[in-house]
Amino acid sequence: NAGVTQTPKFRVLKTGQSMTLLCAQDMNHEYMYWYRQDPGMGLRLIHYSVGEGTTAKGEVPDGYNVSRLKKQNFLLGLESAAPSQTSVYFCASSPPRLYGYTFGSGTRLTVV
Amino acid sequence: GEDVEQSLFLSVREGDSSVINCTYTDSSSTYLYWYKQEPGAGLQLLTYIFSNMDMKQDQRLTVLLNKKDKHLSLRIADTQTGDSAIYFCAEGANAGKSTFGDGTTLTVKP
Repeated sequence: NAGVTQTPKFRVLKTGQSMTLLCAQDMNHEYMYWYRQDPGMGLRLIHYSVGEGTTAKGEVPDGYNVSRLKKQNFLLGLESAAPSQTSVYFCASSPPRLYGYTFGSGTRLTVV
Repeated sequence: GEDVEQSLFLSVREGDSSVINCTYTDSSSTYLYWYKQEPGAGLQLLTYIFSNMDMKQDQRLTVLLNKKDKHLSLRIADTQTGDSAIYFCAEGANAGKSTFGDGTTLTVKP
């Protein structure tokens, strides 16, 4: 099993460009999450989904949109990239019971 | 809102025990977790403890929970250089969402 797969692994964007980060999981997990990790700030929740077709805002949702059209995929979109969105983005998934997350390996995004 | 705090750095000698501490504020936390992150990788779940437990042991790892003081610790016995990583404490209660601490960087010196 691949677990949680994130694509791409690295990306450099110019300010104002848009892009979509893809997260795919093959564990049939109901819940999926997008976090960003910044030095000295730990992980902050951007958006999450408790099932196909549902999404909700996390702690830092501004400037991002998400979609969960299929249970196994969770997409994170940046509409107009800003330098403040330079970060490492992690996707995670979990079953409804609180047994912890399975994380992807991350996407390192630089906005110049 | 929920908050999870942990010290930022810990340095130990190979073969010693490491103890990483964490405090949390949400009294409704149902599960508490420890994750490990190696350089350039995602977080890996090490262990978790249910809030009605005081202790959980898994090979070299021992988790202690003091629910009254909202204090969680992770003890790694016989620490090895391969244990060098960032360790995150996290709590989970609501709709599966977890709140993470900022991580403790563990350095193991030979």
